[in-house]
Amino acid sequence: QVQLVQSGAEVKKPGASVKISCRASGYTFKIYYIHWVRQAPGQGLEWIGRLNPSGGSTITAQSFQGRVTMTMDTSATTVFMELSSLGPEDTAVYYCSRGGSGNDHWGQGTLLTVSS
Amino acid sequence: NFMLTQPHSVSESPGKTVTLSCTRSSGNIGNNYVQWYQQRPGSAPSCVIYEHKERPSGVPDRFSGSIDTSSNSASLTISGLKTDDEADYYCQSYDGDNQVFGGGTKLTVL
Repeated sequence: QVQLVQSGAEVKKPGASVKISCRASGYTFKIYYIHWVRQAPGQGLEWIGRLNPSGGSTITAQSFQGRVTMTMDTSATTVFMELSSLGPEDTAVYYCSRGGSGNDHWGQGTLLTVSS
Repeated sequence: NFMLTQPHSVSESPGKTVTLSCTRSSGNIGNNYVQWYQQRPGSAPSCVIYEHKERPSGVPDRFSGSIDTSSNSASLTISGLKTDDEADYYCQSYDGDNQVFGGGTKLTVL
C-alpha cells in the first residue's frame, strides 16, 4: 500500500535550518509529484511547494522562495524539504503528500518547533 | 493570484444534509480542478473529492462535489450526516503550478 513516512519532530532555534524527510513506498516513485504543506497551530493548510521525482524539478510558493530547498534521493525513494532562516512563525506541522488524484496520500506530519 | 474563501464554521444535525462552499476570488472556478480535504483533529488531511466531483475509493457516496460558474464557487455536500463527519474541510485548487488552499470550514455535527 502507498505510504509516506516522515522524519520525527524537530526543535530549532531562530535563525537555524531544518531538513525534513518523506520516504515513499508502495508505488512507482517517479510518477507522482510530492507536495509539502504546513499547518501552524490552530491554523489552516499552507502550500509550500512541490518536487517532481522525475528529474527533480521544483516549484516553490512565492512566500517561501529563497528559504526552501526541496531535494530527493531516488534510490531511497525519499524527498527532503529544507527550510532556512527559521523564525517562531515557522512553528507548524509539516506534511508531505503525493500529488495523484488530488493530494491522495499524506505523511503523518512532522512537528517543527522554533523557539529560543 | 486568487484566494479561496470558505465560511469559518457550519453546524448541522445528524442525518441532515450540509453544503460547504468555497468561493474563488478571481478567475473562473472551472478553469482549475477543485479538491476537498477532510481533516480530523490530530490527523493528516485526507482527500474526499478530487477534480471537482470525483470520489476517491473508500469515500462514501454521501460526499459529493460540484462547481457553480455563476457564483464562481465550489461546493462539498455531505448527506446523511454522521457525528464522524465532524472535522475541518479545506478546498484546494491550482494557480498555475501552485496549489491554493481555502481557509477551511469547521463542521460541527450535533
